[in-house]
Amino acid sequence: AQSVTQLDSQVPVFEEAPVELRCNYSSSVSVYLFWYVQYPNQGLQLLLKYLSGSTLVKGINGFEAEFNKSQTSFHLRKPSVHISDTAEYFCAVSVAGGYQKVTFGIGTKLQVIP
Amino acid sequence: GAVVSQHPSRVICKSGTSVKIECRSLDFQATTMFWYRQFPKKSLMLMATSNEGSKATYEQGVEKDKFLINHASLTLSTLTVTSAHPEDSSFYICSATPGQEETQYFGPGTRLLVL
Repeated sequence: AQSVTQLDSQVPVFEEAPVELRCNYSSSVSVYLFWYVQYPNQGLQLLLKYLSGSTLVKGINGFEAEFNKSQTSFHLRKPSVHISDTAEYFCAVSVAGGYQKVTFGIGTKLQVIP
Repeated sequence: GAVVSQHPSRVICKSGTSVKIECRSLDFQATTMFWYRQFPKKSLMLMATSNEGSKATYEQGVEKDKFLINHASLTLSTLTVTSAHPEDSSFYICSATPGQEETQYFGPGTRLLVL
């Protein structure tokens, strides 16, 4: 079975500062990795995903993530955050190869301070 | 593309009544839909996987007689919370996958409050 660990439950950061949200996963097989964002009282929106190929993945809203197989990590980064980035961010993993069930981390609340 | 809608967005009901939540894929055919439950400040808990034309697969600990799932068409799945109780109050989110694509597209969620 796969599991996801998001090490930080909350991350406060000043506006225009860089941010990194950490995600580690555990799996005995190849995986797909995802980052989703959830704004208050809304569903989840896909930010980016890693399926194969280049380990640096660029997503929407200026976010990017790097897949590191040796460290089993998929940290999310943004060089300069905006107030509108305040939201809950979820890292997720599924077994690679066609459709598989997705396992979510507990989420990290990004709080951008003006 | 890949838009998923849910209806209603918010519902309040009395204890003992049943509530139906609809999940629709608006611009694609979803062979598989998923139902999640999200508790306050918690992650998403997968309740069941719904495949068009067949019975849903429930996760361990989820009562199939309480949470009835129907996936009657390639664009619609419904979750019915039967005989709802206050502890069923939660945020229910559905997602859908087009064909063999690995990405799930999420609906906006339904806030259920049982009084």
